[in-house]
Amino acid sequence: EAGVAQSPRYKIIEKRQSVAFWCNPISGHATLYWYQQILGQGPKLLIQFQNNGVVDDSQLPKDRFSAERLKGVDSTLKIQPAKLEDSAVYLCASSVMAFLTDTQYFGPGTRLTVL
Amino acid sequence: AQSVTQLGSHVSVSEGALVLLRCNYSSSVPPYLFWYVQYPNQGLQLLLKYTSAATLVKGINGFEAEFKKSETSFHLTKPSAHMSDAAEYFCAVSDQGGSEKLVFGKGTKLTVNP
Repeated sequence: EAGVAQSPRYKIIEKRQSVAFWCNPISGHATLYWYQQILGQGPKLLIQFQNNGVVDDSQLPKDRFSAERLKGVDSTLKIQPAKLEDSAVYLCASSVMAFLTDTQYFGPGTRLTVL
Repeated sequence: AQSVTQLGSHVSVSEGALVLLRCNYSSSVPPYLFWYVQYPNQGLQLLLKYTSAATLVKGINGFEAEFKKSETSFHLTKPSAHMSDAAEYFCAVSDQGGSEKLVFGKGTKLTVNP
């Protein structure tokens, strides 16, 4: 079974530029998560989708971050414009459903460096 | 709101020695508790989870953790460390019936010395 795919793996941009990350979850998984992991910290949930609807985006900086999950499969996370403090690893995860007893499977992440 | 404290950002053990990684949680309702492992340049992988069944939980790769309500702890142990256990370990908590959002600790980096 293929795991969670993410691209690109690495991205370097200047501040105030835009960037987009792509995630393809495990086939059949209804729930998709985007996490931000800043160096030296644990992952922090940015947004959670159930199929193509948003379940939780309370920690998403909506003035610069946006995410969508069209057709309930792939998802894109965008930052526009980027700030220095956005430098982090962005992790995508998926699970069968939204129950916390369901295992979340993580992709390898996209490491973003903002100069 | 729930939170997690992992004592020790770095732990170093010798190969074959006991591994003990500490996690204390704060939650206003009975929690779900998780341990994840992250190898360099990889995503997180679930080691084990406590979901209010048995208090001693066995996971993959020989790891186990015990839920102790009186101590609000969920420490991760492995009797004998292997070189391949070198990684970063994250404890996470969520409220049962709450926001259902995982809150992660800051992680503990485990080094295994030959």
